[in-house]
Amino acid sequence: GENVEQHPSTLSVQEGDSAVIKCTYSDSASNYFPWYKQELGKRPQLIIDIRSNVGEKKDQRIAVTLNKTAKHFSLHITETQPEDSAVYFCAARDDYKLSFGAGTTVTVRA
Amino acid sequence: GAGVSQSPSNKVTEKGKDVELRCDPISGHTALYWYRQSLGQGLEFLIYFQGNSAPDKSGLPSDRFSAERTGGSVSTLTIQRTQQEDSAVYLCASSFRGQDGYTFGSGTRLTVV
Repeated sequence: GENVEQHPSTLSVQEGDSAVIKCTYSDSASNYFPWYKQELGKRPQLIIDIRSNVGEKKDQRIAVTLNKTAKHFSLHITETQPEDSAVYFCAARDDYKLSFGAGTTVTVRA
Repeated sequence: GAGVSQSPSNKVTEKGKDVELRCDPISGHTALYWYRQSLGQGLEFLIYFQGNSAPDKSGLPSDRFSAERTGGSVSTLTIQRTQQEDSAVYLCASSFRGQDGYTFGSGTRLTVV
């Protein structure tokens, strides 16, 4: 089955700086890569996704890049704000099921 | 419904008791998933439904865990003879035919005492 690794496990950034989270996956058949944000005590919410036929996607301060050859994808958050503090999960879908990374706890320091 | 609904939101049960957790997915979503999230941990896959059938039950941790889905809609996850290690947040998610991202419910926080 699919195995997704995520780094780093924790990330502390100064407000206004950028944050980058990286994930690798094992199954070359995976074709869909979403990112979820989970605030404390809340449900995971989809913030951005990318499909295997696209190399990069951007939505305001958030961008995701995908390198199919290397089997890795990354989340970039620019101009971080306190409300960006949360746990972020990457995921990869092989056929019907998402396999999740272990999560990155992002703390934005004011 | 407008979102994925789960009930109860919190459940405290005594060790050895059975519990039932309910999930009501988004109307029209044929794919339904159960995940488990232990404190501070990631998302552990339990079971996948497509319609009323469960082609992937590989994540169920033991035979104390079972799930069913009826009418292609509501799903129930049952844990028999609960143990303390079953304490976690149980998240349900649904997806349109399993081809896109999930929409998660708010979860059921299960505490076994």
